Amino acid sequence: SQQGEEDPQALSIQEGENATMNCSYKTSINNLQWYRQNSGRGLVHLILIRSNEREKHSGRLRVTLDTSKKSSSLLITASRAADTASYFCATDELYNQGGKLIFGQGTELSVKP
Amino acid sequence: DTGVSQDPRHKITKRGQNVTFRCDPISEHNRLYWYRQTLGQGPEFLTYFQNEAQLEKSRLLSDRFSAERPKGSFSTLEIQRTEQGDSAMYLCASSLARGADNQPQHFGDGTRLSIL
Repeated sequence: SQQGEEDPQALSIQEGENATMNCSYKTSINNLQWYRQNSGRGLVHLILIRSNEREKHSGRLRVTLDTSKKSSSLLITASRAADTASYFCATDELYNQGGKLIFGQGTELSVKP
Repeated sequence: DTGVSQDPRHKITKRGQNVTFRCDPISEHNRLYWYRQTLGQGPEFLTYFQNEAQLEKSRLLSDRFSAERPKGSFSTLEIQRTEQGDSAMYLCASSLARGADNQPQHFGDGTRLSIL
């Protein structure tokens, strides 16, 4: 079963604009991770934020985590056509010993040149 | 290429047939996961191994599904008596477990199964 929901389901922007995707989840977590998936390919890990962290940056990516609201956001700044992909948040639930991930339904991002 | 590899990339079979998929994880990774992904959805956890031990199985993994990881290296996922509902992308991922710290998972490109 899916852990949470992502919003929006689809997002279309122009190259150079910023893209923001939101993720809500249901249970307490060890960490939350964001992955990217190009069509027909596997998932690529982007960034991991632990439950005691509030914000994390990696290049053009900025992730925030609000554990009181059980939500996270992913911001991609200065988007490029190559950022076109589906983006998934995934949670590693508290007391989860094995690291299995619970994924959201994803946001499909389209960046137009 | 030292990433996770899956074979075959595509499998088309008739309903009722058995199919087997293979996953070769990153060599030093001790954890291996199987997920299933249908169109427009996120991946759903099926099962995972730590070394050769299968430690957790999802309720999604009916008795027609079996997974193995002999010797703690590659893994196979077998589906017996396939059904239309088994059509999906089957993804394998691996990670390196360091104590209680769960590390990011590295995914293969998946096996797309189509049941006729």
